[in-house]
Amino acid sequence: GAVVSQHPSRVICKSGTSVKIECRSLDFQATTMFWYRQFPKQSLMLMATSNEGSKATYEQGVEKDKFLINHASLTLSTLTVTSAHPEDSSFYICSARDYVDTGELFFGEGSRLTVL
Amino acid sequence: AQRVTQPEKLLSVFKGAPVELKCNYSYSGSPELFWYVQYSRQRLQLLLRHISRESIKGFTADLNKGETSFHLKKPFAQEEDSAMYYCALKLGGGATNKLIFGTGTLLAVQP
Repeated sequence: GAVVSQHPSRVICKSGTSVKIECRSLDFQATTMFWYRQFPKQSLMLMATSNEGSKATYEQGVEKDKFLINHASLTLSTLTVTSAHPEDSSFYICSARDYVDTGELFFGEGSRLTVL
Repeated sequence: AQRVTQPEKLLSVFKGAPVELKCNYSYSGSPELFWYVQYSRQRLQLLLRHISRESIKGFTADLNKGETSFHLKKPFAQEEDSAMYYCALKLGGGATNKLIFGTGTLLAVQP
């Protein structure tokens, strides 16, 4: 099956710094990727839809200047948490769909961000 | 508003007992529903989708538009079924259309 890989799996940073998380589709091309955020023991909250070659579409309440998304190629989307604060600490998960839309989303393993 | 509701945070059953994980949705369009599963320390993966009408690992789910439900069922639970289960609703029919998730139900199958 299709594989989505995220990097890094864990990152610790100081408050005020920026952190970039990569999401790659390894064996398929993804015109659309989705970024989710998951708080402990809670569901996945959709943050934004990343579209290759165009601007991301953000969900209501998600600050686009805070969470920068770039989808420069059909296999890579990046999420940059800018000027990170402790409340940004969370588990960030990306997912992707391939050209042939079966509806199934393939998920990355997630990236745990801890802001000190 | 679009919404997926999973009323149970935790469902604990004994091995061999029947299982039903509840899911209700709210959506004005034609719904496309999925169940995803997350085993311990693994990523989310698709379990089944309503359009396929398939049975995966003994699990089935029927879309009931009248009751706006998509409950997940298995007649005899196994210990290896213990995991987090998420019901999901796809909004729209295109490849760019997003998936929203319920809050999840943790299934614990006791020996």
